[in-house]
This record gives sequence, structure tokens and C-alpha cells, in this order.
Amino acid sequence: AQSVTQLGSHVSVSEGALVLLRCNYSSSVPPYLFWYVQYPNQGLQLLLKYTSAATLVKGINGFEAEFKKSETSFHLTKPSAHMSDAAEYFCAVSDQAGTALIFGKGTTLSVSS
Amino acid sequence: GAVVSQHPSRVICKSGTSVKIECRSLDFQATTMFWYRQFPKQSLMLMATSNEGSKATYEQGVEKDKFLINHASLTLSTLTVTSAHPEDSSFYICSARDRLGSGGINTGELFFGEGSRLTVL
Repeated sequence: AQSVTQLGSHVSVSEGALVLLRCNYSSSVPPYLFWYVQYPNQGLQLLLKYTSAATLVKGINGFEAEFKKSETSFHLTKPSAHMSDAAEYFCAVSDQAGTALIFGKGTTLSVSS
Repeated sequence: GAVVSQHPSRVICKSGTSVKIECRSLDFQATTMFWYRQFPKQSLMLMATSNEGSKATYEQGVEKDKFLINHASLTLSTLTVTSAHPEDSSFYICSARDRLGSGGINTGELFFGEGSRLTVL
């Protein structure tokens, strides 16, 4: 069975500071990994995805994530936080067979000025 | 491309009534759609997998007689909450995967609707 664990339910950073949101996965097959962002009362927007190509994945809005098989991690980073980055972030895992995404519990990112 | 539309976005109903939520893939065909439920400040929990032309597959603990799912076409799945009660109040989100995949490759990415906020009084 697949699962993801997001370490830290709430992360607070100052505007301009580095953003680091942690995600570790468990999968019996090579995983497909995703990061989604959710703003209040809205659906999910895909930030980036790892699908067994390059291990460093660049996404939208300056976010990127690195797949580390040895650490079973897929942490999300952004060099400089912006106020508009404040939202809920979800890490998710899937397999190629077309099953549903399994989500982590989410991390709330707060950005202060 | 790859737009999923949900309707209604918000619905308020009385206890005991039934509510139908529609999920449409607007510019692609989806043989499979997924229904998730999200409680306030919690993650998305998979409720069921909706397969076009066949019965839905429900996750453990989800009452199939209470949450009726129909996937009548390659672009439409519906979730009906029957005899709704206050504890059914939640944010319901559907998602779909383009059966052809981007560039012919299925990357596993799901496209999500905007969600439907159900409030049962």
C-alpha cells in the first residue's frame, strides 16, 4: 500500500525566506509523486509532479521538489516566500496503474511580512 | 485543457433530503473519476472510484447506499448524498484522469474540480 507523510502540519516563514515543506512516501512500486496547493474553499491546483524522469522537478510559482529514493522523500522548496504562497499544501502519491491519489494530511503555510 | 467542473459549488439542504453533485470533464474523456471528501482543516479522503459504465468501487467505511455514484458517460459522474444529515456536511471534490494521458503517456496526474461545499441543516 502507498502512503505519504507530511512532517509538520503548520509551517510559518517570513516573506522572502526559504520555504521547505517535507514529504516522505512509502510505496511498493516506483511512485508517482505530486504536490498540490489548495486555497480556502477551492479545489486543488497542481504545483509539480515527479514521474520517474528528472529527480529535480520544477513547478509553477517558483516551487521545486527533489525526489530522493534513498531517503524516500519528495520535499517541496521555494527560495523566497511570497505572501500569496500562504495556503494548504498536499503531497500525494500514485502508481502508474491509474489508481487514485493518496494524500498526506497537508501542511498549512503561513507567510508573515 | 484538462478542466474538471463541479456543480453546485455550494449547497445547503435540510436534514433528510438528497443532494446531487455533478462532476464533468470538459475537454477530455475520463473512464475513471474519483470522489474525495474533505473535512475542515483535514486532508482529502478517497470515498470511491467511479468507473464509466460500471459500478463504483467504494473505500472501506463509505456507505454505498448513502453515497450513490453514477458514471453514465465518459465526461460525467454524479454523487448523490441520500437522506443527508448534518454529519454529512463536508467539502466534496471530484477528480479525473485523462484516459489518453498527456502526449499518450499516463503520468497518473489527476485533474480536480473546484469542490462542492455541502451544508446540511
